[in-house]
Amino acid sequence: DAGVIQSPRHEVTEMGQEVTLRCKPISGHDYLFWYRQTMMRGLELLIYFNNNVPIDDSGMPEDRFSAKMPNASFSTLKIQPSEPRDSAVYFCASSLAQLGRAGELFFGEGSRLTVL
Amino acid sequence: GNSVTQMEGPVTLSEEAFLTINCTYTATGYPSLFWYVQYPGEGLQLLLKATKADDKGSNKGFEATYRKETTSFHLEKGSVQVSDSAVYFCALHGGAQKLVFGQGTRLTINP
Repeated sequence: DAGVIQSPRHEVTEMGQEVTLRCKPISGHDYLFWYRQTMMRGLELLIYFNNNVPIDDSGMPEDRFSAKMPNASFSTLKIQPSEPRDSAVYFCASSLAQLGRAGELFFGEGSRLTVL
Repeated sequence: GNSVTQMEGPVTLSEEAFLTINCTYTATGYPSLFWYVQYPGEGLQLLLKATKADDKGSNKGFEATYRKETTSFHLEKGSVQVSDSAVYFCALHGGAQKLVFGQGTRLTINP
């Protein structure tokens, strides 16, 4: 079975531009997560969905960030307008079951964003 | 709140050396604990886990034991290989659907 698929793998853009990152979770997984990884802050959970519904977006840094999951096989993370401090690797992950005892996160390969 | 503290890297070892990466946690209750590994250019993947005190998780020659009394989950391997070079993350399940990750420890194994 294919893993979590993210696109683009690399994105270089200029400050003020809109950025859209895309994710296809593993088929059948009910949970989808967006994480951001930076040297300074490590891995941060931005938002997660359950059955396409956003459950917790408390990690979204500000209104410039938005995430959607229109169906079970697709999610987007949008930054508008982008700023240099948004430069990071953005990971999408999915899980079949609740985390903890049984659940496991499956990560995509990440989208490396550079905002000039 | 819940938190995870890992030994700072980077860690550089020679092949066949013994590895320990320290991890301690702060949490209410009895969280499940995990080690994830991130190979260059890839996403994180689960290496091992332990769900209750005194459990030992193991995989690919790596081991970690859930020590409630010392709130620790140290990662060990008896003989590392060049292919073990990666970034290792300790994590705990902090309730709901949130995993709390440590900062990560970069490991480099020289031949």
